[in-house]
Amino acid sequence: GAVVSQHPSRVICKSGTSVKIECRSLDFQATTMFWYRQFPKKSLMLMATSNEGSKATYEQGVEKDKFLINHASLTLSTLTVTSAHPEDSSFYICSASLAGFQPQHFGDGTRLSIL
Amino acid sequence: AQTVTQSQPEMSVQEAETVTLSCTYDTSESDYYLFWYKQPPSRQMILVIRQEAYKQQNATENRFSVNFQKAAKSFSLKISDSQLGDAAMYFCAYRRIAGRNTPLVFGKGTRLSVIA
Repeated sequence: GAVVSQHPSRVICKSGTSVKIECRSLDFQATTMFWYRQFPKKSLMLMATSNEGSKATYEQGVEKDKFLINHASLTLSTLTVTSAHPEDSSFYICSASLAGFQPQHFGDGTRLSIL
Repeated sequence: AQTVTQSQPEMSVQEAETVTLSCTYDTSESDYYLFWYKQPPSRQMILVIRQEAYKQQNATENRFSVNFQKAAKSFSLKISDSQLGDAAMYFCAYRRIAGRNTPLVFGKGTRLSVIA
């Protein structure tokens, strides 16, 4: 079945560092990918919708300049957390799907820890 | 905007017994998709079951089934013959039908414990 690969799975870095997370659809073309953030013991909150070849659509309250999204090809979307601070520490997870009733396939997530 | 409510933060069930997880949602749309996802401690999101709103027949996947009540906007998940591996967070999710891909709207989740 369709698979979404997300890397890295775990990042620990110093405050002020920029971190890039990759999300790849391995066996299908994903014109749209989604980025979610999950705090401990909480639900997944949509951050942004990544559209291939165009600008991402951000949810209210998500800083565009802090969370840069690039969707340069039909199989790759990247999320860059710029100048990360401890409050950016969280679990980030991407998903992709074909249209409609097809289920969203999730990456395995990235645990980001900013010291 | 659509919202999804899971009123049970935690549930527990004895192994081999049956448990039902509740989910209600709010929408003004007549057609949409509903999903249940499971998130074990590994935090991987695993699709459990899905339902198309225009279908009256309740979806079933092995030990998992739903009770979809469209008028009541209710979408509960029943797990039969519970197993230790069923212990996880369960998220109910709503997805709009639109011309382009649409994101999932998740409930807050229900943590299910299975007691041996």
